[in-house]
Amino acid sequence: NAGVTQTPKFRVLKTGQSMTLLCAQDMNHEYMYWYRQDPGMGLRLIHYSVGEGTTAKGEVPDGYNVSRLKKQNFLLGLESAAPSQTSVYFCASSYRRRAGELFFGEGSRLTVL
Amino acid sequence: KNEVEQSPQNLTAQEGEFITINCSYSVGISALHWLQQHPGGGIVSLFMLSSGKKKHGRLIATINIQEKHSSLHITASHPRDSAVYICAVSPPRQYSGAGSYQLTFGKGTKLSVIP
Repeated sequence: NAGVTQTPKFRVLKTGQSMTLLCAQDMNHEYMYWYRQDPGMGLRLIHYSVGEGTTAKGEVPDGYNVSRLKKQNFLLGLESAAPSQTSVYFCASSYRRRAGELFFGEGSRLTVL
Repeated sequence: KNEVEQSPQNLTAQEGEFITINCSYSVGISALHWLQQHPGGGIVSLFMLSSGKKKHGRLIATINIQEKHSSLHITASHPRDSAVYICAVSPPRQYSGAGSYQLTFGKGTKLSVIP
């Protein structure tokens, strides 16, 4: 019963490097989300997807790209990492748009030096 | 955009105490979520409610739509309840487009339960 799985869980990057965070869910959910969590702030939506092949920008999309080639996977990419992207990233999925229960991954802690 | 305020920001309790965490929001919503995050851990959904009251074990969540306020209660608190509790609200049904997907999260309440 995996639920939502994120990889990697920890990563250290140098400024300008690129990386991809993978989110996989086994609940057949249509809706998937990438959030970032920073000290003293609530979770903020980076990008989201309402189904396979679709993605859309959230509240803080700059510097990130996403893809949803398969329904179960939602990838978050950083093309050229910056120190401001040091954060904890959470993937979530839900079965309904507005009032669906959210299922979160364990989080991925990214440090950009 | 909805504004979500949680109180208190930090809470320390003795084991066995009754605990209340509050959440207020500024505009109408379709649902309110209570989430739990243990130190260094992932986030778990505790409750999702749009009216009334829900109970799960020692946890009780209530919501007053008219007053735009929700409370999370923990009865007979235990050290394993130590975590950050996060309130989040789903946008109202009349929102469309990107706004309809964007939950607004509170900053969280850090609870420490001392044995």
